[in-house]
Amino acid sequence: QVTLKEFGPLLVKPTETLPLTCTVSGLSHTTARMGVSWIRQPPGKALEWLAHIFSDDEKFYNPSLKSRLTISKDTSDSQVALFMTNLDPEDTATYYCVRIGCDLGSCGWFDSWGQGTLVTVSS
Amino acid sequence: EIVMTQSPATLSVSPGERATLSCRASQSISVNLAWYQQKPGQPPRLLIYGASTRATGIPPRFSGSGSGTVFTLTISSVQSEDFALYYCQQYNNWPPSYTFGQGTKLEVK
Repeated sequence: QVTLKEFGPLLVKPTETLPLTCTVSGLSHTTARMGVSWIRQPPGKALEWLAHIFSDDEKFYNPSLKSRLTISKDTSDSQVALFMTNLDPEDTATYYCVRIGCDLGSCGWFDSWGQGTLVTVSS
Repeated sequence: EIVMTQSPATLSVSPGERATLSCRASQSISVNLAWYQQKPGQPPRLLIYGASTRATGIPPRFSGSGSGTVFTLTISSVQSEDFALYYCQQYNNWPPSYTFGQGTKLEVK
């Protein structure tokens, strides 16, 4: 069973860079199309997908945030990091680390979630 | 970007009643749609993927249907633990650009 846990600062100042880390255990890749995403949820608002990294290290980003995001992982797939630059108070949100699910060659839903880490952007 | 629109924003039902939640995609996504349930203070929980396949451990009162642009999540007999927020999510794109709906709140009538 896969478990994911997010780590990051509770409070970040505007214009600063947010570093987030996800520790992953129990991840077994049955296909190269599996991997880990970051998703965020501002308080009282909907979910927003941010970035994804596949087990083969291919990376994809939300087009509207691509210029501000960098996702990476270690070679053992036990840690996935996300950096978001030039923070704004509107980036205040709970940030989730999530596993992509796959079944019969189709992938794309999120079947395992971390508990999330709330990040507040304020001066 | 594929825009997902959920309706209604809030659905009021009594326990034991049937609940029908809708999700519409701005373009065809085949059956590449998932549904999630979220309770306060918790991460979302996967209910349905492939538009109609229940995730592991999800009770059979939850069912999904639809294809193309129109999708439905049905709870056949709402239980007290089902009152929560529900989100749909598409995963049709390549390269990946996953998008969620704005959510439907299922509340007690």
